[in-house]
Amino acid sequence: DTGVSQNPRHKITKRGQNVTFRCDPISEHNRLYWYRQTLGQGPEFLTYFQNEAQLEKSRLLSDRFSAERPKGSFSTLEIQRTEQGDSAMYLCASSDTTNEKLFFGSGTQLSVL
Amino acid sequence: GQNIDQPTEMTATEGAIVQINCTYQTSGFNGLFWYQQHAGEAPTFLSYNVLDGLEEKGRFSSFLSRSKGYSYLLLKELQMKDSASYLCAVWGGGSYIPTFGRGTSLIVHP
Repeated sequence: DTGVSQNPRHKITKRGQNVTFRCDPISEHNRLYWYRQTLGQGPEFLTYFQNEAQLEKSRLLSDRFSAERPKGSFSTLEIQRTEQGDSAMYLCASSDTTNEKLFFGSGTQLSVL
Repeated sequence: GQNIDQPTEMTATEGAIVQINCTYQTSGFNGLFWYQQHAGEAPTFLSYNVLDGLEEKGRFSSFLSRSKGYSYLLLKELQMKDSASYLCAVWGGGSYIPTFGRGTSLIVHP
C-alpha cells in the first residue's frame, strides 16, 4: 500500500491551455474523490466516483471540467481552456465502503498564467 | 446541503491545551471528521465521530454533540509541530461526500 498518488505535483500552464491530472488511489478502494483547495480555504468538492461510475458532480463545476475513472482504478481530471481562476491545489482522495476515512494524495498544484 | 463553521485562526503556547470548535448544519447526519493539514501538504486523518461523546487518541481528542450540531478537537501538550490547519468535515443526507469547513489555522509559539 503506497498511498494515494497524484501526478504531476506541479503544473504551470498558460491561460486557454488544457491540462490533465492523474490520481492513483489506494488499491481496493472503490470510492474516489476530487477536491479543489485554494489558500486559506478548506477542500471544495468537485466530483465523486464509486468504482467506474461518476455518481456526483458539484453544481459549481464548470463544463470545462471533466473526470473519468475508466476501469475503476486510476482517475483523470481534465480542465479545458484554463482560466486564472482555476489556479488551485487539486486533491484526490480514496476510501472503501468498510472505512469512511478518506486518504488524500499530495495534490497537484496548478498555476494558470 | 451542509454548512460548517470554525474559527479562522488560533494561537497557543507550546505545552498548553487548545480546543478547536466546529459547528455544523446538515440534513441527515452520518459522521464528522477532523483532519490536520500542514502547509503545502495533503490533509491527514485525525478522528471520526458518529456517536455523541468524547473519543481520545493520544494527545488528540474529539467530541461530538449531534443535538447541538457541535464538535471540538482538543489538543494536549502542544508541540511546535502541531502548527497546522485543522479541518472539520461532515457528511450526511445520504451522501458519501464529506463537506469541509474552511479550516482553523493553529499557531503554536514557544
